[in-house]
Amino acid sequence: GNSVTQMEGPVTLSEEAFLTINCTYTATGYPSLFWYVQYPGEGLQLLLKATKADDKGSNKGFEATYRKETTSFHLEKGSVQVSDSAVYFCALSVSAGNQFYFGTGTSLTVIP
Amino acid sequence: ETGVTQSPTHLIKTRGQQVTLRCSSQSGHNTVSWYQQALGQGPQFIFQYYREEENGRGNFPPRFSGLQFPNYSSELNVNALELDDSALYLCASSLAGVQNYGYTFGSGTRLTVV
Repeated sequence: GNSVTQMEGPVTLSEEAFLTINCTYTATGYPSLFWYVQYPGEGLQLLLKATKADDKGSNKGFEATYRKETTSFHLEKGSVQVSDSAVYFCALSVSAGNQFYFGTGTSLTVIP
Repeated sequence: ETGVTQSPTHLIKTRGQQVTLRCSSQSGHNTVSWYQQALGQGPQFIFQYYREEENGRGNFPPRFSGLQFPNYSSELNVNALELDDSALYLCASSLAGVQNYGYTFGSGTRLTVV
């Protein structure tokens, strides 16, 4: 089947620290991979995506590389800010499907 | 361009009642999907509508039903509410071919069943 496993939180970092949130997946087809971010009281916003193996998605200083050999899509940022505090969701969609499969989310808090 | 708007933002219902949630899709998007997000969990796919017809359904009972209108707006109806239906309900719109474009999500409707 299709599923996403995310690193459990919560994660607390100091401002300017390096961030990694691990995400691994299983998929029956050739998935596209996504990271979404959810700020308190809001819906999900697309952060970045990658549609094929070895693609790197990037946005707002965040990056993730689609690794087919390790079935992973880890999210990284070199220097986090207080404004990055949110819940991050890894997700996949498969070529023949019409739905997203989300991980359980990882809560990030950045302290000044 | 306008984003996805959902109404109401919050709702409290009694067990056994029925509820209707509404969603206006982003301009230019022809596909609407609904997700249920329980507290502390990731969103779970309920169903998707394309061209006013259901185009896929997740593992939800028939008392969860929906509609899509010619202007691509949508409703989610839940009958015989149960306590476990308490969740954030998210509407997401996209162009056909979700895989490449991703979704645009609304801010959600927080449903509490008491």
